Amino acid sequence: DTGVSQNPRHKITKRGQNVTFRCDPISEHNRLYWYRQTLGQGPEFLTYFQNEAQLEKSRLLSDRFSAERPKGSFSTLEIQRTEQGDSAMYLCASNAGRGGELFFGEGSRLTVL
Amino acid sequence: DAKTTQPPSMDCAEGRAANLPCNHSTISGNEYVYWYRQIHSQGPQYIIHGLKNNETNEMASLIITEDRKSSTLILPHATLRDTAVYYCIVRVDSGGGADGLTFGKGTHLIIQP
Repeated sequence: DTGVSQNPRHKITKRGQNVTFRCDPISEHNRLYWYRQTLGQGPEFLTYFQNEAQLEKSRLLSDRFSAERPKGSFSTLEIQRTEQGDSAMYLCASNAGRGGELFFGEGSRLTVL
Repeated sequence: DAKTTQPPSMDCAEGRAANLPCNHSTISGNEYVYWYRQIHSQGPQYIIHGLKNNETNEMASLIITEDRKSSTLILPHATLRDTAVYYCIVRVDSGGGADGLTFGKGTHLIIQP
């Protein structure tokens, strides 16, 4: 499968714990995006990378959220000190340029108890 | 990016054409119209996009009015697998501001057997 891969698909954690999600984009794609989606809403843009450079991070929801793409390939999204309001689907997408045709993964669903 | 307005839900009979409207009255001259869909529990899927001219691909047709203030996505022969939330998005594709897509709530299209 050569699509966007996200792991884990499901994560259940207790409030206050840290969680990390991984995204492996399509191999030749230099842009990678993170979104959050809550029930009944459309995906909400969080941040994006061009290669290893994080070009937009002002829309990360709080300083508990951080993302990295150290070698310009896979990316991780970390949420520290999780809260119940962080429960959501976290989506990753990639593309090969500045166009708007993004390829999305299946998402990582987070449940914070 | 300009805002879009879509009906929250629509029904269509299987085998008929599904016509999904979108208003984007504040669209700028350099903004493209993109359509995505999201089947339940999956990541969004790109369908089609256009600037001024009507576009067609293997999935759908996109009709953009001459003043570009509205558009219609047409699924010519809807099947049960087309049941999904459809998002209309307007976006600038060039320059430094070409960041993530801004999703609204979309239209929940239900194909009836």
